[in-house]
Amino acid sequence: AQSVAQPEDQVNVAEGNPLTVKCTYSVSGNPYLFWYVQYPNRGLQFLLKYITGDNLVKGSYGFEAEFNKSQTSFHLKKPSALVSDSALYFCAVRDTVSFMNRDDKIIFGKGTRLHILP
Amino acid sequence: AAGVIQSPRHLIKEKRETATLKCYPIPRHDTVYWYQQGPGQDPQFLISFYEKMQSDKGSIPDRFSAQQFSDYHSELNMSSLELGDSALYFCASSHGGGMNTEAFFGQGTRLTVV
Repeated sequence: AQSVAQPEDQVNVAEGNPLTVKCTYSVSGNPYLFWYVQYPNRGLQFLLKYITGDNLVKGSYGFEAEFNKSQTSFHLKKPSALVSDSALYFCAVRDTVSFMNRDDKIIFGKGTRLHILP
Repeated sequence: AAGVIQSPRHLIKEKRETATLKCYPIPRHDTVYWYQQGPGQDPQFLISFYEKMQSDKGSIPDRFSAQQFSDYHSELNMSSLELGDSALYFCASSHGGGMNTEAFFGQGTRLTVV
């Protein structure tokens, strides 16, 4: 069964510094990976996805993520953090084997709360 | 651009009552997912539909049922409500049910059971 791990409950970064939010995954087939952001009392907003191709994926609000197959990781990054980036970030996965078995769902990690300090 | 619409946004029910949550997907989206997010928790998958048929089932209690209608909107019916059912319920939609399609989420319905 597929799973996602976000090892950090919280990440604190000073404004202007680069940020990384970590994510590792476990799937049976090839992974399709996503990052979502959740602001207080709001729904989940799609940031970016990795399907195939270039391992570095660029998304919304200046975020990017790097797919590393050997390390089964999909870390979220941003070169220069903004206070407005403070939110809850979820990594998510689908895998091809589960999909072929009609397990049509996205599995989320536990989330990482990102605090950008002014 | 049109987004996923959920109604109501907030709902307060007493124990043992029933509740119906509605979800209107993005136009031309044929796949709907329901998630439950408890306080401080990650979203837990409940159930999904593709082309009006149930496509996957997660940790949905037997007290809950859901369906997708001909216009692709979906309803989550919750009976014999318990205090532990208090949570934020999200609906998401995607197009084609394909692996490479991201799901777009609604604002959620906050259910409080008292």
